[in-house]
Amino acid sequence: NAGVTQTPKFQVLKTGQSMTLQCAQDMNHEYMSWYRQDPGMGLRLIHYSVGAGITDQGEVPNGYNVSRSTTEDFPLRLLSAAPSQTSVYFCASSTSRGGHLSYNEQFFGPGTRLTVL
Amino acid sequence: GESVGLHLPTLSVQEGDNSIINCAYSNSASDYFIWYKQESGKGPQFIIDIRSNMDKRQGQRVTVLLNKTVKHLSLQIAATQPGDSAVYFCAENVGGYSTLTFGKGTMLLVSP
Repeated sequence: NAGVTQTPKFQVLKTGQSMTLQCAQDMNHEYMSWYRQDPGMGLRLIHYSVGAGITDQGEVPNGYNVSRSTTEDFPLRLLSAAPSQTSVYFCASSTSRGGHLSYNEQFFGPGTRLTVL
Repeated sequence: GESVGLHLPTLSVQEGDNSIINCAYSNSASDYFIWYKQESGKGPQFIIDIRSNMDKRQGQRVTVLLNKTVKHLSLQIAATQPGDSAVYFCAENVGGYSTLTFGKGTMLLVSP
């Protein structure tokens, strides 16, 4: 059981380039999300998905696209990278949407450090 | 290592001391709270959680206290160890969705 995996671990892009950050989980979790982490800012939610075929925007979605064609994978796409997107990106998954059900902890991947020049 | 520690409040303690990390949350509708630990170069790791219908919850060496009146959350770590050195985040959730809002974090430094 690998948990949540992310690739690549490090990436340097030039302004305007595009790339996809990969995220996969092998725990059959319904819920997956992407966060970015900047110094002194905590983690901010970019996009999330409550199941295959369903995605929604979080707090800071601009400049990012996501899709969820399978339960296991939740890639994050940067269509035209900007220096403001320099950050550490974390993918997370959990089994529940919360609410009246018991909330289940989110499991985080190891992160991708992205630098945009 | 990560630069997440820049500009963060820092708590420095001696090994064996008890540590208290505080968090003020903003949304009075939040009904679920989590504490995460993040070591340098790693993703956040779940420590303990608490629902809004509780005031206190204990785990192994950790206790979370919730004061809904003043929207305040605290994490108490007993007999702090050097391995506890990390950045600690509180996160809040509003019922119905698994979207978390994170605080900015506190760095805990434990000296031997």
